[in-house]
Amino acid sequence: TQLLEQSPQFLSIQEGENLTVYCNSSSVFSSLQWYRQEPGEGPVLLVTVVTGGEVKKLKRLTFQFGDARKDSSLHITAAQTGDTGLYLCAGAGRRQGGKLIFGQGTELSVKP
Amino acid sequence: DVKVTQSSRYLVKRTGEKVFLECVQDMDHENMFWYRQDPGLGLRLIYFSYDVKMKEKGDIPEGYSVSREKKERFSLILESASTNQTSMYLCASSLLTSGSPGELFFGEGSRLTVL
Repeated sequence: TQLLEQSPQFLSIQEGENLTVYCNSSSVFSSLQWYRQEPGEGPVLLVTVVTGGEVKKLKRLTFQFGDARKDSSLHITAAQTGDTGLYLCAGAGRRQGGKLIFGQGTELSVKP
Repeated sequence: DVKVTQSSRYLVKRTGEKVFLECVQDMDHENMFWYRQDPGLGLRLIYFSYDVKMKEKGDIPEGYSVSREKKERFSLILESASTNQTSMYLCASSLLTSGSPGELFFGEGSRLTVL
């Protein structure tokens, strides 16, 4: 059973467009992390959110943790080709025994 | 610059062979992890370790074992490789924290093909 569902799984857009990636669960998480993985590399942490309703910004990327701490979203404004990669959300909570559980990932392709 | 190094980027093995995947980190992290990554399934935890000589099963430990004889090194062992173990294997490390997990630092991955 996949505890974290990411959508969409694939996204292909033109440079300059905006996009949102969703990470949803029926479980409550104490924290949620977002990673980006570029081809041939391991994932790299973008952000950690811990408080329900929290919003964090990282340049053109905006991360939000749901009020109930069951879901999160990543919004990219004016996407660039350098944003291309696999985006992974990962949650941790009591049900997961403190371990991180990863979503399936969203493969983003930004075309020039 | 912090670094997690996996010994082999690409391996091709035959069914039934014993496979060793090595991982070394230079950050003095207590925690080390082995994940496998398959398209559409994200990262699934195989084994992890919170200390030297300590190991705990993750979500998919069947067919795998691990060894942590030194703090900086965590090895994944496939005793008898099978074709369904063809995958990308990712090693990660993190600091021991109370409460929520800390940042995972990943290696570049080892792509294993079992024929």
